[in-house]
Amino acid sequence: KQEVTQIPAALSVPEGENLVLNCSFTDSAIYNLQWFRQDPGKGLTSLLLIQSSQREQTSGRLNASLDKSSGRSTLYIAASQPGDSATYLCAVQGGSEKLVFGKGMKLTVNP
Amino acid sequence: DVKVTQSSRYLVKRTGEKVFLECVQDMDHENMFWYRQDPGLGLRLIYFSYDVKMKEKGDIPEGYSVSREKKERFSLILESASTNQTSMYLCASSTQRTGNNQPQHFGDGTRLSIL
Repeated sequence: KQEVTQIPAALSVPEGENLVLNCSFTDSAIYNLQWFRQDPGKGLTSLLLIQSSQREQTSGRLNASLDKSSGRSTLYIAASQPGDSATYLCAVQGGSEKLVFGKGMKLTVNP
Repeated sequence: DVKVTQSSRYLVKRTGEKVFLECVQDMDHENMFWYRQDPGLGLRLIYFSYDVKMKEKGDIPEGYSVSREKKERFSLILESASTNQTSMYLCASSTQRTGNNQPQHFGDGTRLSIL
C-alpha cells in the first residue's frame, strides 16, 4: 500500500529564504507526483505535476524535482514571501485515477 | 480556468438526517472525486466516478453513497449522519482525455458539522 510522508509537519521562516519542502513515497510505481497548496479553510490549488518520466518541473519561483527510484520529491521555493504561507501537500498517482496524499506541511513566512 | 463548485461552504445537520453534498464542474471532466479532510489524518478518498452512473469505492466509503446522473454533477450522500462524519469535505475533478497525467482540480470545500 502506497504511503506518502511529508516531514516536517510545520516550518516557520523569515521572508526571503529559499526553501526546500520534502515528500517521500514507498512505492516507486507511479504515474505522476503532484504538489498542491491549501490556504486555511479552502480547497487545494494545483501547483505542479511531474510525470514519472520527468525529473523536474518549474513554475515561477517554484521548482519541483522527482527521484522515482529513491521515492523522493522536493519542492523548492525561491525568495519566500509572506503570501507563500499555506499548507503544501504532495500526492502520488499510481495505477488508477486515485491520488494518495501526504498529510501536508504548514509553512509560515514571517515578514 | 476549471471551476469546481460545491453547493455549501458550511452546513450544520443533526444526527440521523440524510445529508446531500453537491459538486458541479464546468470543464466536461470525466473523473470526479469526493474526499474528507481531518486534522492528523489528511485527505482520504471516499468515492470517485470516472463516468456518468459509474462509481468506485475509495478508502473510506462506509456510511456514504454517491450519485452521478449527469457528467458535470457528483453528489455525496450521508445516509444517516453521525457525529463522526463531522469533517471538511472536498470535491475534485480531472480529465482523462489527454492521458493519465492531469492534475485534479478542487472545490473550496464544505465544512459539515453533525450535532
